[in-house]
Amino acid sequence: RKEVEQDPGPFNVPEGATVAFNCTYSNSASQSFFWYRQDCRKEPKLLMSVYSSGNEDGRFTAQLNRASQYISLLIRDSKLSDSATYLCVVNLGGSQGNLIFGKGTKLSVKP
Amino acid sequence: GAGVSQSPSNKVTEKGKDVELRCDPISGHTALYWYRQSLGQGLEFLIYFQGNSAPDKSGLPSDRFSAERTGGSVSTLTIQRTQQEDSAVYLCASSLRRGGEQFFGPGTRLTVL
Repeated sequence: RKEVEQDPGPFNVPEGATVAFNCTYSNSASQSFFWYRQDCRKEPKLLMSVYSSGNEDGRFTAQLNRASQYISLLIRDSKLSDSATYLCVVNLGGSQGNLIFGKGTKLSVKP
Repeated sequence: GAGVSQSPSNKVTEKGKDVELRCDPISGHTALYWYRQSLGQGLEFLIYFQGNSAPDKSGLPSDRFSAERTGGSVSTLTIQRTQQEDSAVYLCASSLRRGGEQFFGPGTRLTVL
């Protein structure tokens, strides 16, 4: 099983739609979880951290399910500007310092 | 405040030449990471520095690749005897603490002819 797995997509949705991405991780000791966004030919940028209790930032909601080892990202009322690749990121846990990045899920929001 | 900066933004070199890529992390960030990303691919971890500890070099693809971090701040990634398969975007990131959010620089696009 890969350390971090995501559906590569693409997800093609109309403006205003609600879309959800899931990501599974293999290391049950993982402590930190994030969603990053990467626009074409740009560097990844932090979208939001994922907390155990779940968290919301405007139209974006992130959730963590430790028992099933997955995290999710929900985007409501999609905008054209949400078109990007969304990267699921997991800390390896223990003494490891580096984060493991998923390969990303591509979202395309159409008018 | 200033983010992570990298230089050069673009580098074109001939096969067999050595290149040096530079990263200036966010001030006060103790952790620094190097990744590379080929077109349409995910991030590939290269190396990680944490404070004064020995770096985690587990991601370096060959002994042609090396990196230093001087004074706990600026880092240089060196690729010796470049090959065409080294062509990629090299991204640097820093974080305040181990395992925390990483902030990326704009990357250096390396093209080996």
